[in-house]
Amino acid sequence: SQQGEEDPQALSIQEGENATMNCSYKTSINNLQWYRQNSGRGLVHLILIRSNEREKHSGRLRVTLDTSKKSSSLLITASRAADTASYFCASRYFGNEKLTFGTGTRLTIIP
Amino acid sequence: GAGVSQSPSNKVTEKGKDVELRCDPISGHTALYWYRQRLGQGLEFLIYFQGNSAPDKSGLPSDRFSAERTGESVSTLTIQRTQQEDSAVYLCASSYTTRSGYGYTFGSGTRLTVV
Repeated sequence: SQQGEEDPQALSIQEGENATMNCSYKTSINNLQWYRQNSGRGLVHLILIRSNEREKHSGRLRVTLDTSKKSSSLLITASRAADTASYFCASRYFGNEKLTFGTGTRLTIIP
Repeated sequence: GAGVSQSPSNKVTEKGKDVELRCDPISGHTALYWYRQRLGQGLEFLIYFQGNSAPDKSGLPSDRFSAERTGESVSTLTIQRTQQEDSAVYLCASSYTTRSGYGYTFGSGTRLTVV
């Protein structure tokens, strides 16, 4: 299986703190994407980082990519209660026409 | 449409019955993907379509599962002779193209419960 792994599996922090989630993948990628899922239903695309990029920002989100370690991290700054959700990384492997999703991190923001 | 629409949103069926799950992608999106998510788990790839053809069916768990797409639009995922292990949320997503560089837009999923 090419499914990547996310770490930690679950994370609880106080509102206002920063949350960091990590993702590892298996082989060479074209790009890596992060998604959020509320209440176990549809996922929402957050950000895409290409293999030749090392860092990308979108609002309170910062994504880094280290292709030498085959890993990525998602940082959410100044967390809010509304950020409570599951977060998934998804890898677009070379030669593959689909995304392979990681196992997810369940983030809980405590008001 | 404005988003990806899936129906029904919930389906309870008896073991052994057939079910059909429907996905309406965003208009103009040529790529369509089906994933399955068991409770508390990650997403498991099932099949994808580029236009009306399905180049990768490798994720279909057994020959009880099939999918089709007509007119580069609606797709139907059919599960025959349902088993309890088929219980999951079935998620559909569409993308402008299968070419790299595009994210997916997901529907809200169909929660299938086999009793």
